[in-house]
Amino acid sequence: NAGVTQTPKFQVLKTGQSMTLQCAQDMNHNSMYWYRQDPGMGLRLIYYSASEGTTDKGEVPNGYNVSRLNKREFSLRLESAAPSQTSVYFCASLSLSNQPQHFGDGTRLSIL
Amino acid sequence: QQQVKQSPQSLIVQKGGISIINCAYENTAFDYFPWYQQFPGKGPALLIAIRPDVSEKKEGRFTISFNKSAKQFSLHIMDSQPGDSATYFCAPAGAGSYQLTFGKGTKLSVIP
Repeated sequence: NAGVTQTPKFQVLKTGQSMTLQCAQDMNHNSMYWYRQDPGMGLRLIYYSASEGTTDKGEVPNGYNVSRLNKREFSLRLESAAPSQTSVYFCASLSLSNQPQHFGDGTRLSIL
Repeated sequence: QQQVKQSPQSLIVQKGGISIINCAYENTAFDYFPWYQQFPGKGPALLIAIRPDVSEKKEGRFTISFNKSAKQFSLHIMDSQPGDSATYFCAPAGAGSYQLTFGKGTKLSVIP
């Protein structure tokens, strides 16, 4: 049972490049989330999907787009990467009837 | 507006000692009060959580104390061990939303 799987684990981009971060969960969870973690800032919610077919903005959505491809997969896209988007990105999933949120191990993204 | 204030930012405790981390919140709609534990290179994982209908919950060496009137809750780690060295986050959530609002984290170091 893999839980929440994020790919890639590491990535280096140049300013202006685009990239999609992938997330998949095998727990049949309804809700999925994307966070970013910066030193001293805790985790901040970028976007979430309460159920398949729906997405909503979180606290820091600017510069990002998301796609809930199906119940298992929730991707995060950076259309034109900026150095301020250098961060560790975490995906999480949740079954509405069974907390807590389960997190992946993150994607470490550096933008030069 | 910072909805969740966590203290201290860092904590050094001797093996066998008691570690105490505090979290103050402003949103009275929060009704789920978890603590997450994060090891380097890993995603956060739920450690212990409490609902507002009880004032204390204990699981092994970990205890949550909840003070609804003061809008505060705390994590106590008894008999702290080097393996407890990690970053701890409080992350309260509101009724029905399951959207976590993370504190900025406390880095705990337990020294032998």
